[in-house]
Parts: sequence; C-alpha cells; structure tokens
Amino acid sequence: EVQLLESGGGLVQPGGSLRLSCAASGFTFSSYAVSWARQAPGKGLEWVSTIRGSDGSTYYADSVKGRFTISRDNSRNTLYLQMNSLRPEDTAVYYCARSLDTTTRARFAYWGQGTLVTVSS
Amino acid sequence: QSVLTQPPSASGTPGQRVTISCSGSSSNIGSHTVNWYQQLPGTAPKLLIYSSNQRPSGVPDRFSGSKSGTSASLAISGLQSDDEADYYCGAWDDSLNGVVFGGGTKLTVL
Repeated sequence: EVQLLESGGGLVQPGGSLRLSCAASGFTFSSYAVSWARQAPGKGLEWVSTIRGSDGSTYYADSVKGRFTISRDNSRNTLYLQMNSLRPEDTAVYYCARSLDTTTRARFAYWGQGTLVTVSS
Repeated sequence: QSVLTQPPSASGTPGQRVTISCSGSSSNIGSHTVNWYQQLPGTAPKLLIYSSNQRPSGVPDRFSGSKSGTSASLAISGLQSDDEADYYCGAWDDSLNGVVFGGGTKLTVL
C-alpha cells in the first residue's frame, strides 16, 4: 500500500525557515516523480514543486522560486522541502504527492494527509 | 487568479447529471492532458480522472472527463450526496514549466 507521511510543519516567524519531510513507503521511491502542493486556509490547491525520479530534475512555482528547495533521499525513501525567507502568504497545508506512474510528473495519484505551516509573528 | 478557470460553484439534485468546466490556454490544456481531483471536506485531494478521460481503478464510471481544444469538462452522472465536494482541474503548463490548477468548483447536492 502506497503511503506518504508529511512532517515538519509548525509556526514560524516571517523571514524564518522550515524543512518539511515526506516519508514514503509501499513503492519503489526512486522510480517516481514526487511533488509538493499546498492549500491556504479556505483556498484552492497550488502546486509548489516537483522532483523527478529518473534524473532528479526539479521544477518550482514562480511564487517559491529562489526561496524553496525540493530534494529527495532515495536511500531513506524521503522527500524534503526546505523553505527559507517564509512569508505570511506561505501559510498553508502542505501536501506531498506521488505521480501516477514512473513516466509522468503531473498526475498526482497518491497524497499524504498534509502538514500545516503557519507563518506569523 | 488561477491559470485554469473553473466556475466557483455547481449544484444538482440526486440522480441528476452535472458538468464542471475547466478553461485554459494553448500552453496548458491545449498541449497537455487534464487531470481532475476530488477533495472531500477535511481530506486530501483524490485523483478522479487522468489523461483527460481515464479513471484510476476504484473510481466509479459515473465520473467521466473530456477535452476539446483548450477546454476540458468533468461530468458526474447519477449524482449522489457523497459527491458533495470541491473539484479541481490540473495540467502541465509549458510556459510556466510547472503544474497549474483551476480555482476549484464547490459541488452542492441539493
């Protein structure tokens, strides 16, 4: 059974940093693209970043480019999101998601339960 | 302002058929397939339709998708109270080099 478990969320001051983790199990982690998406309170979904399994290529939304860094440790089956220079508008539930198959990057077939990040003074 | 445009709300009565539209451009829907997600209250999104018209295993055939040009649609037939949820379309965008979502449509079963 595919499982994704996010952790690392919490309250942080504007300008601060936070690192999110997503522990994966039930599949060959290194073969799949995995992504972060977020949802601000009462708002819609927003894609944040994707890292491919095949070659480690990374992609970022313009809203986080230069501030967030996605990475993966295939030996630990874990996805990360390093978030720096956080802003109040980054407040959201952050989800990790796995692609449907090993060849695609934008079909999010499996999702974690999410972790809440609150940026406030 | 979302890159993909969806109506903010839709509604129907039990047993009815409803459709939700998703409008984009040549750089996203016009060039790539569309995925649809269902988000029940307080839960993570669930992939409902991929490749514009394919259902993952376990998704009832009451849900169907289509795409034409730079627009896509999600149709739900035999509407049930359990279908009350938020629905999002998503696609890859070549100009942004990333995934774009619609703003979401809140479906109410009257």
